[in-house]
Amino acid sequence: DIQMTQSPSSLSASVGDRVTITCQASQDIGKYLNWYQQKPGKVPKLLIYDATNLETGVPSRFSGIESGTDFIFTISSLQPEDIGTFYCQQYDNLPRQTFGQGTKVEVK
Amino acid sequence: QVQLVQSGAEVKKPGSSVKLSCKASGDTFTKYIFNWVRQAPGHGLEWIGGNIPLFGTANSAQKFRGRVTITADEITSTAYMELSGLRSEDTAIYYCTSSPYCSGVNCHPDSWGQGTLVTVSS
Repeated sequence: DIQMTQSPSSLSASVGDRVTITCQASQDIGKYLNWYQQKPGKVPKLLIYDATNLETGVPSRFSGIESGTDFIFTISSLQPEDIGTFYCQQYDNLPRQTFGQGTKVEVK
Repeated sequence: QVQLVQSGAEVKKPGSSVKLSCKASGDTFTKYIFNWVRQAPGHGLEWIGGNIPLFGTANSAQKFRGRVTITADEITSTAYMELSGLRSEDTAIYYCTSSPYCSGVNCHPDSWGQGTLVTVSS
C-alpha cells in the first residue's frame, strides 16, 4: 500500500503568515492528490485536487504544487477562518487510497 | 457530482456486526466509485475500502480484510459497508465518499456523505 507522510503534525502561525504543509508519497502517484480542510465536527472539505487544481469556490490563497513524490500545500496569507486540520489524500489506484496523518493549524 | 446520504447512528456490542448504507442521487450510480473512510475520535482519516459498481468489484485495506464486506445495489443506487467482529477501537464516524469512474485515469474523490457515528460498547 502507498504510504503518505505528512508534516508537520501541527503548526501555529499568525494572521497573514505564509503556511506550508508537505506530503511525501512512498512511490510515484503522478498528480493524484487531494488536499482537504476539516473543521471540528464537520465533513472534510475539498480544497485542491489533482495536486494543483483549486476546487470551485475555494479562495485563491490556497494552492498546491507537485515535485516528484513530494506535494506542498500553501496558504499564502493565513486567515482566522483557516483553522482546522488539513489532510492530503492520494488516489493513484482507485478505489485504493491513502490519507496523510493530518496537520492541525492554529492561529496565534 | 452525486449527493450521498448515509444511514443513521448505530450502537453495537463488541463482537457484533454493523451494516451501513449510503444512498446516491443526482447522477447515474454506475458512473461512480464508492468508498468508505472512517475517523476515530481525535484521529485522522482512514480508508476502509471501496467498490466500483460498474464492474461489481471491491477492494479493502489490508487492515480490514476478512472483516469488511463492501457492496452496492444499482437498483436502489445504494452502497453498503458491513463490518464484523466489532471492537471498541471501531468506534468512529464512518463516511461514504465517491469519485467519478474515469476510464484510463483517476478522477478525484469529490463527494462525501454526512457521516455515520458507530459506537461499539458493552
